[in-house]
Amino acid sequence: KAGVTQTPRYLIKTRGQQVTLSCSPISGHRSVSWYQQTPGQGLQFLFEYFSETQRNKGNFPGRFSGRQFSNSRSEMNVSTLELGDSALYLCASSSSGVAYEQYFGPGTRLTVT
Amino acid sequence: GQQLNQSPQSMFIQEGEDVSMNCTSSSIFNTWLWYKQEPGEGPVLLIALYKAGELTSNGRLTAQFGITRKDSFLNISASIPSDVGIYFCAGYPNSGGSNYKLTFGKGTLLTVNP
Repeated sequence: KAGVTQTPRYLIKTRGQQVTLSCSPISGHRSVSWYQQTPGQGLQFLFEYFSETQRNKGNFPGRFSGRQFSNSRSEMNVSTLELGDSALYLCASSSSGVAYEQYFGPGTRLTVT
Repeated sequence: GQQLNQSPQSMFIQEGEDVSMNCTSSSIFNTWLWYKQEPGEGPVLLIALYKAGELTSNGRLTAQFGITRKDSFLNISASIPSDVGIYFCAGYPNSGGSNYKLTFGKGTLLTVNP
């Protein structure tokens, strides 16, 4: 079974721009969660989607948004990028209705200049 | 929000040595997960724990769900160079609602000297 895939793997953007990241979960997994990883803050939960509905949300500003499609693929969008948004963005998928064991993709490294 | 305290922050050991790391919380968790992350990759799930007192092994790795439900331990026996990486504990708190999200420790950086 193929793992979680994320595209693109690397991205360089300028302050003020917006960016969209994509995640394809493991086949059959319906829950997708997004995390931001930085050296200072570690792994921080952004949001979780299940069956196209946002089920939970972390403490991030409204510039961070996401959505999930009927095939469980998910995208996250960050608008009006700030330098502090530079991070590794990780997507994780889970098979159960209550997301216990989460399986991560390789991440998208976003650099904001 | 929930916080997990993971220690030690880093370890530098000789190949063949055993390793122990732990994770503690001020509140009760009902699931503990241990992950390993290598440079340029996402975290890989090593072990999942669901019951207080549970002891689970995965090869040379053994993890335990603390009896108080506020801590968990990971041991690596007979370390080898490929054990190098950052090990994260993660857990789901007992409380529901907006707090019911996977919370991570800051990680333990393991370096193994051949």
